[in-house]
Amino acid sequence: AQSVTQLDSHVSVSEGTPVLLRCNYSSSYSPSLFWYVQHPNKGLQLLLKYTSAATLVKGINGFEAEFKKSETSFHLTKPSAHMSDAAEYFCVVSDRGDYKLSFGAGTTVTVRA
Amino acid sequence: DAGVIQSPRHEVTEMGQEVTLRCKPISGHNSLFWYRQTMMRGLELLIYFNNNVPIDDSGMPEDRFSAKMPNASFSTLKIQPSEPRDSAVYFCASRRGGQGASTIYFGEGSWLTVV
Repeated sequence: AQSVTQLDSHVSVSEGTPVLLRCNYSSSYSPSLFWYVQHPNKGLQLLLKYTSAATLVKGINGFEAEFKKSETSFHLTKPSAHMSDAAEYFCVVSDRGDYKLSFGAGTTVTVRA
Repeated sequence: DAGVIQSPRHEVTEMGQEVTLRCKPISGHNSLFWYRQTMMRGLELLIYFNNNVPIDDSGMPEDRFSAKMPNASFSTLKIQPSEPRDSAVYFCASRRGGQGASTIYFGEGSWLTVV
């Protein structure tokens, strides 16, 4: 069985400051982990994914995430927030060999000018 | 490559009417998912197809909901009769392969309002 916990339902940052979105997971097997972003009235877009290669994963728009097996975490970061980063972010886990995805509840990011 | 294509993007219908949502997955993808997103429940998997065959429909809320995939490039989700509580965003998604490592690509969603 697999599950995801996003530790913050809402994060507010100032433009130009770092962003940290926290995600913890549980997985019975080797997991694949994803971060998706959803802008208002849009679908989900893949930011990045981890599938057992490098533990530090770089994604689009300057985002990156680090897989830490010992902490069962996959936190998403960006060094400098932009106004266009205001959106909802979902952490997602999938067990290797399974078709199902488990979604976190989402973190809403607000960026202040 | 075109992404997952959904239609209609927005639908407003009266209670009791039939609603049909359509999806064209990415070419070459053999897994297709229908999800429903609401504020209260987040993203819920409704049904999963692999190679056009329904594998898991345990998330389909009730008999009013049905889904088909007559071929590799087309799927429908039908609600008959529709009810106000069906108002939600319905996403279709597809992936190559059936297992965890491959990326799932989402369509832009169908925004359904039942009045």
